[in-house]
Amino acid sequence: GAVVSQHPSRVICKSGTSVKIECRSLDFQATTMFWYRQFPKKSLMLMATSNEGSKATYEQGVEKDKFLINHASLTLSTLTVTSAHPEDSSFYICSAPSRLVTGNEQFFGPGTRLTVL
Amino acid sequence: AQTVTQSQPEMSVQEAETVTLSCTYDTSENNYYLFWYKQPPSRQMILVIRQEAYKQQNATENRFSVNFQKAAKSFSLKISDSQLGDTAMYFCAFMKRGNNNDMRFGAGTRLTVKP
Repeated sequence: GAVVSQHPSRVICKSGTSVKIECRSLDFQATTMFWYRQFPKKSLMLMATSNEGSKATYEQGVEKDKFLINHASLTLSTLTVTSAHPEDSSFYICSAPSRLVTGNEQFFGPGTRLTVL
Repeated sequence: AQTVTQSQPEMSVQEAETVTLSCTYDTSENNYYLFWYKQPPSRQMILVIRQEAYKQQNATENRFSVNFQKAAKSFSLKISDSQLGDTAMYFCAFMKRGNNNDMRFGAGTRLTVKP
């Protein structure tokens, strides 16, 4: 089956620092990956669409200079939270569609819990 | 834009009983997929069941089945013979048909299965 990994699973950082989160498709190539944010007991909110070899597409209200996305290869997308502040603390989840599976199913990473002190 | 609505923030059911979770959506698309995802305390999203909009037959996966009413834009999930391991958040999701499309999620329903 298609597997998506995320690293790190948890990160704690000081306010003002930058944090990078990696999303990898382990056994398939993904020209597109999606980044979601989930607050406690809330739903997944789409932040941006990561496109291999081109700029990411951001949802309305998401600061592209705050949340930098790089999709440098067919198996890796990174989300960098720049100058992090406590309000950026959240659970970040990535997903990728796999053509290995019919039905355009998307596969989700296990998520990254970011805590900004 | 597509919206997905789950009107039941929390539900509970006795073990071995049946429970139905509601979901409605709004779209102008004709070709799309609908999903139910389970999110246990580990926060890993697990696909429960998938429905293709062009298929009239309701999808089933073991104890899980859906009631898909395309005209009413309704997509409910029925869990039969509920088990303690079914306790989780359940999200209804919409995705346009085609490659590389994003998903839109409902607010979720927290289901508790009581022994």
